[in-house]
Amino acid sequence: DVKVTQSSRYLVKRTGEKVFLECVQDMDHENMFWYRQDPGLGLRLIYFSYDVKMKEKGDIPEGYSVSREKKERFSLILESASTNQTSMYLCASSLRQGVALNTEAFFGQGTRLTVV
Amino acid sequence: AQKVTQAQTEISVVEKEDVTLDCVYETRDTTYYLFWYKQPPSGELVFLIRRNSFDEQNEISGRYSWNFQKSTSSFNFTITASQVVDSAVYFCALSERNTGNQFYFGTGTSLTVIP
Repeated sequence: DVKVTQSSRYLVKRTGEKVFLECVQDMDHENMFWYRQDPGLGLRLIYFSYDVKMKEKGDIPEGYSVSREKKERFSLILESASTNQTSMYLCASSLRQGVALNTEAFFGQGTRLTVV
Repeated sequence: AQKVTQAQTEISVVEKEDVTLDCVYETRDTTYYLFWYKQPPSGELVFLIRRNSFDEQNEISGRYSWNFQKSTSSFNFTITASQVVDSAVYFCALSERNTGNQFYFGTGTSLTVIP
């Protein structure tokens, strides 16, 4: 059974803290994604990575950074957490297009982050 | 510009009614892929279906059916004889060949099935 696992289901952090959200996939997928989900706004892409050490900004990268040192792991970093980063964070992975003509994204269970 | 539009924010139906969730997409690519996902209250997005731009055949899977129409850039999802377990947020998504590896999601439709 394919798996994308996020390290925490719920997280409460203080304003100004550095926060790490971890995501691991066991499907040998090239692509990995971090989305943020807010009511009425759907899923917004923060960053994605198409290979180890490669990353590209999504629609809302400000205040975030990412790290992909190994193929299976993709970390989202909030450099200095702020209350407006309180949200649901979803990690996903997929095969690279070209490797497969079409492929869906597989999602983790989500991390609900509250910044107080 | 929004690539995927789900105009219905919230829908409520009574159990056993049929319901259609609308999805309209926008792309200039000739090769693209469309998806539907279900997000139950537990939070994890569950993949339901994938469709290629060159395959306009409609698909039926049990109580679920999908109507893909390139002429209207729509990929609508119908649940027949809805059940309480269908209550969830449903997302439509687009992936384009030319923009490679990104998925563009709509804002989702929250479906509530009332017993």
